[in-house]
Amino acid sequence: GENVEQHPSTLSVQEGDSAVIKCTYSDSASNYFPWYKQELGKRPQLIIDIRSNVGEKKDQRIAVTLNKTAKHFSLHITETQPEDSAVYFCAASIKSGGYQKVTFGTGTKLQVIP
Amino acid sequence: NAGVTQTPKFRILKIGQSMTLQCAQDMNHNYMYWYRQDPGMGLKLIYYSVGAGITDKGEVPNGYNVSRSTTEDFPLRLELAAPSQTSVYFCASSYDNYQPQHFGDGTRLSIL
Repeated sequence: GENVEQHPSTLSVQEGDSAVIKCTYSDSASNYFPWYKQELGKRPQLIIDIRSNVGEKKDQRIAVTLNKTAKHFSLHITETQPEDSAVYFCAASIKSGGYQKVTFGTGTKLQVIP
Repeated sequence: NAGVTQTPKFRILKIGQSMTLQCAQDMNHNYMYWYRQDPGMGLKLIYYSVGAGITDKGEVPNGYNVSRSTTEDFPLRLELAAPSQTSVYFCASSYDNYQPQHFGDGTRLSIL
């Protein structure tokens, strides 16, 4: 089955700096890659996603890049703010047995230091 | 729209007791999922459903059962609660797995 690895597990940055979180996946047939943000004690919420026919997508301070050849995708947060502090999960979706299946990464705890 | 609604929000069970965690969505989503999240850890898929009457096991199904009699509801059943099942349980739904998942607020379950 699909395997998604996420690095780093923890990340501390100074407010205003950039943060980058990387994920790799094992199955080249994966075709949808969402990113979720989970604040302490809250539910995971989608922040950005990308499909396999696109190499990069931006939404204000957040961007995601996809390298299908290398089978990795990354989340980039620029001009970080304290409210960006949270756990971030990547995921990869693949069609398997007639259905799409989603595999989540293990999460990255981001701390933005004021 | 309420989105994904989970009840109860908190529950304490004694070892060996049974309970059902409720999950309902009003977005007419085909796919529904149950995850557990242990403290400081990621999401582990327990069961999922791709439509009414169709369910399948995820990564950690032992000790749990599910049913999907309607598009809206996807209850999770614990038959004989064990301390290892202490966790936060999230229900989620999506139109399909090529669309983002919408999560409920979670059920915090403690088994003593």
